[in-house]
Amino acid sequence: DIQMTQSPSSLSASIGDRVTITCRASQSVDRWLAWYQQKPGKAPKLLIYEASTLESGVPSRFSGSGSGTEFTLTISSLLPDDFATYFCQQYDRFSWTFGPGTRVEIE
Amino acid sequence: EVHLTESGGGLVQPGGSRRLSCVASGFTFSNFELNWVRQTPGKGLEWVSNITASGTFAHYADSVKGRFTVSRDNAKNSLYLQMSNLRVEDTAIYYCATGGDCKTGVCHHTTFFRHWGQGTVITVSS
Repeated sequence: DIQMTQSPSSLSASIGDRVTITCRASQSVDRWLAWYQQKPGKAPKLLIYEASTLESGVPSRFSGSGSGTEFTLTISSLLPDDFATYFCQQYDRFSWTFGPGTRVEIE
Repeated sequence: EVHLTESGGGLVQPGGSRRLSCVASGFTFSNFELNWVRQTPGKGLEWVSNITASGTFAHYADSVKGRFTVSRDNAKNSLYLQMSNLRVEDTAIYYCATGGDCKTGVCHHTTFFRHWGQGTVITVSS
């Protein structure tokens, strides 16, 4: 199975900061990579799929890039609503795995 | 608006069984693959099972293969997960989530999970 790692595992940032989260796959997943945001007590919410396609209704301050084994999620200017945990997820041959998550906290 | 509502959670003894249900609304249920994904504080998010739009094919994580069975009733807009021989490590929040869809006869396999339910909690403990 493909293993996913994320870095950092947590970060502290201020309103207006640019934030970048990295996700790495143990082998190539082409562009089958999605990003989710999760707030406490809620289900994950899809932000980006196919590495860089913004889900409908998601603000344009979120963007994704990468292919193969290395991917990034960028929040261009952090807003209060963005403090949450972010997960990446890959798909490969009937197997779906998630990264361990990156917690974005208020500095 | 898409709604997915899971039910059936609760406390189960090790070795016991439980059936989870997920009722859907707001979309053409029979056109979508569906999935179960679970979450624990320790292991994070883990995909559990996938079933095709027609219900013909299903896939399972190795951790549940042979113990869990996914099914669906398209007439009732419902997804099910029959869990047996439950283990302590199956304790988790279980979410149903939509996957790939079929449009004009072309079906796209699940590569990400667009809509999620609120989850139902299974606790396996004696």
